Amino acid sequence: AQSVTQLDSHVSVSEGTPVLLRCNYSSSYSPSLFWYVQHPNKGLQLLLKYTSAATLVKGINGFEAEFKKSETSFHLTKPSAHMSDAAEYFCVVSDRDMRFGAGTRLTVKP
Amino acid sequence: DGGITQSPKYLFRKEGQNVTLSCEQNLNHDAMYWYRQDPGQGLRLIYYSQIVNDFQKGDIAEGYSVSREKKESFPLTVTSAQKNPTAFYLCASSIVFFAEAFFGQGTRLTVV
Repeated sequence: AQSVTQLDSHVSVSEGTPVLLRCNYSSSYSPSLFWYVQHPNKGLQLLLKYTSAATLVKGINGFEAEFKKSETSFHLTKPSAHMSDAAEYFCVVSDRDMRFGAGTRLTVKP
Repeated sequence: DGGITQSPKYLFRKEGQNVTLSCEQNLNHDAMYWYRQDPGQGLRLIYYSQIVNDFQKGDIAEGYSVSREKKESFPLTVTSAQKNPTAFYLCASSIVFFAEAFFGQGTRLTVV
């Protein structure tokens, strides 16, 4: 069975500093991996996806993630946080079905 | 514009009443899904449909029902059997089963 663990329920950074949101997964197959962002009372928007091509994946709004099979990780990063990045972020693993992590709430301080 | 439309955005229900949440997509996607979101718990799958006239239970289907009579539509009924229905409900679709999903804006259901 597949699963996904987001290692931090809440991350707080200052504007202009780097962002790191951590995600570990387990899967018996070759999964697809996604990061979604959710602003309050809104639906989820796809940030980026990994589907067995390049291991470093670039997404929207300056985010990127690196697929590391040996570490079963898919951490999300951004070099410089912006106030508009404050939101909930979900890591998702998909092979026979789709599993969501519990989410990481990102706070950006001015 | 292509996308997924959920309605209404806010819904209030009295205890003991059934209520239906609407989900329509014009993306020509075969697969559609309903998720429930509670604070701090991520998204949990209620029902999914891979094709018209077919649907399957997800992890938390008890107290819910769905239909898929048209490719574009996947309504969710929250029945009186659902003991704790207050939540944020999200509908999604994908071109094929469990591929990249596109989400609606959600319906917040409150039982009063």
